[in-house]
Amino acid sequence: QQQVKQSPQSLIVQKGGISIINCAYENTAFDYFPWYQQFPGKGPALLIAIRPDVSEKKEGRFTISFNKSAKQFSLHIMDSQPGDSATYFCAASTPSTSGTYKYIFGTGTRLKVLA
Amino acid sequence: DTAVSQTPKYLVTQMGNDKSIKCEQNLGHDTMYWYKQDSKKFLKIMFSYNNKELIINETVPNRFSPKSPDKAHLNLHINSLELGDSAVYFCASARTSYEQYFGPGTRLTVT
Repeated sequence: QQQVKQSPQSLIVQKGGISIINCAYENTAFDYFPWYQQFPGKGPALLIAIRPDVSEKKEGRFTISFNKSAKQFSLHIMDSQPGDSATYFCAASTPSTSGTYKYIFGTGTRLKVLA
Repeated sequence: DTAVSQTPKYLVTQMGNDKSIKCEQNLGHDTMYWYKQDSKKFLKIMFSYNNKELIINETVPNRFSPKSPDKAHLNLHINSLELGDSAVYFCASARTSYEQYFGPGTRLTVT
């Protein structure tokens, strides 16, 4: 019940195309859903995040779509660029004790955008 | 200025040795974390400290011991290193909120 399932494992998209990565969860106590972008040799960087009280959040070319009833959320990258080539992780978080938040990460999606 | 920094970036050592990884954050955050990323890129939380107090302690061997001398620092000491400990270890920090900020990672190789 603590798992976050992410798909696809890898994705190849043409420049200018739309990249879509999906995640699903079981634990209804999760209340925060961030996406992280990781380049080789670097730490994960927060890209965009959503709370379950909204169905969509957009920041530039990145959009999160959230379906609470289906317990699914997805990341859409519009007009994908070669510079977007990285590994993307979804995560789900629930409050732990003392105000800390425990992230459960998906297994990652390696995105390659062809020039 | 680097927000979350880790030293060393690379660590190569032999089985049975003891090693430490240091983490510092200059964001004024209250909470710090250690994560392990394995060879398949899977990220898993190990520990969390809030105001120098251990809050989250996942199922991690006792050979791993975190220490937080102050709010800005969280170190990870590993005793009797094993081959399976080879991974990238990330430190992260957060104000008492959801957003976590990760350091650049320490690649540990045990031979």
